[in-house]
Amino acid sequence: SQQGEEDPQALSIQEGENATMNCSYKTSINNLQWYRQNSGRGLVHLILIRSNEREKHSGRLRVTLDTSKKSSSLLITASRAADTASYFCATDQSSGDKLTFGTGTRLAVRP
Amino acid sequence: DVKVTQSSRYLVKRTGEKVFLECVQDMDHENMFWYRQDPGLGLRLIYFSYDVKMKEKGDIPEGYSVSREKKERFSLILESASTNQTSMYLCASSFYVRGNTEAFFGQGTRLTVV
Repeated sequence: SQQGEEDPQALSIQEGENATMNCSYKTSINNLQWYRQNSGRGLVHLILIRSNEREKHSGRLRVTLDTSKKSSSLLITASRAADTASYFCATDQSSGDKLTFGTGTRLAVRP
Repeated sequence: DVKVTQSSRYLVKRTGEKVFLECVQDMDHENMFWYRQDPGLGLRLIYFSYDVKMKEKGDIPEGYSVSREKKERFSLILESASTNQTSMYLCASSFYVRGNTEAFFGQGTRLTVV
């Protein structure tokens, strides 16, 4: 079963704009992670936020976590054409260290 | 850098064939995973392993088995391939550090069963 659901499924923006993606999950978690996947490739880890954290930054990435609402958001600021990819949230549930992924958001950044 | 290597990028197999997908990691990770990825369904966990000779079923284990004889290698086996197993298969490995499990992925194997 899918733990995470990303929203929107697809997003198209102009270069320089900000992109926001949301993720909702169902059960208690140790942490929530965001991954990026370029077309036809494996996933690359972007950022991890622990369950006791509310916000985290890494370069142009900003992640928030609201455990009361079981939701997270990923903000990419000043987007570039090279940010075009699919983005997935993944949760590391309290019961173990396997990761459960959502269905992903496809981001297209127009030059 | 951690490297997770899957033996093939593309595979075409016939219905009924026994198929082996191999995955090797070089970071001495305890955990290894096999996912399949299908459009609109995201990544779904097939099997995972916490240690050599240990395996646990994921969400969709039917039609698959796995083997972990050595720590660095995790094999996914399709006992009798069927067309509904046409998919992208992704292997991952992870370490476990104070409750935080970052996964490292291979480049994926796109399997077509005809």
